[in-house]
Amino acid sequence: AQTVTQSQPEMSVQEAETVTLSCTYDTSESDYYLFWYKQPPSRQMILVIRQEAYKQQNATENRFSVNFQKAAKSFSLKISDSQLGDAAMYFCAYRRETGTASKLTFGTGTRLQVTL
Amino acid sequence: GAVVSQHPSWVICKSGTSVKIECRSLDFQATTMFWYRQFPKQSLMLMATSNEGSKATYEQGVEKDKFLINHASLTLSTLTVTSAHPEDSSFYICSAFSRGPSSKTQYFGPGTRLLVL
Repeated sequence: AQTVTQSQPEMSVQEAETVTLSCTYDTSESDYYLFWYKQPPSRQMILVIRQEAYKQQNATENRFSVNFQKAAKSFSLKISDSQLGDAAMYFCAYRRETGTASKLTFGTGTRLQVTL
Repeated sequence: GAVVSQHPSWVICKSGTSVKIECRSLDFQATTMFWYRQFPKQSLMLMATSNEGSKATYEQGVEKDKFLINHASLTLSTLTVTSAHPEDSSFYICSAFSRGPSSKTQYFGPGTRLLVL
């Protein structure tokens, strides 16, 4: 079974600084997707970034980028120029590619605080 | 981006009553929808996978007679909590799988807070 591990329950970053959230996963599959979702206090899950396992290039979305290390099964999220609105729970998630819809496996989450 | 709505956003009910939660994909067709439950300060726990026109697939430990799922159309899935009890109080989230050209991603509804008195 696939597992996703987020070893940092809480992280804190100063506004305008950079922070990296860690995620590791375990799978025997070669074709899969990895995601970072953000859950602010409203509890609406928001997709931050997505990485296809077959792509060597790390995904980037504005201030958010990932460091995808397939061999190490590591998928960290870097948030640059942190803003107060980035404060939220961040969940790393895994989904294997089956050609049809398959479920997400979530990590336990990292709560990010952004301080002035 | 793809939008998923849930209704109601808040519901308070008496113990023993049934509650229905609707999940709609507003601008795309969703052959598959997922229902999650989330306790405070915890991650999302998948309850079941809902496929249009067929029976839902429940995760281990989830009572299918307790949590009835109906996926009647490509844009609507419903979760009915039957004979609700206080331990069913939780935050329920649905998501829809979009297979459009820019996705293969799950998009989440805003969630429904259920409080059973």
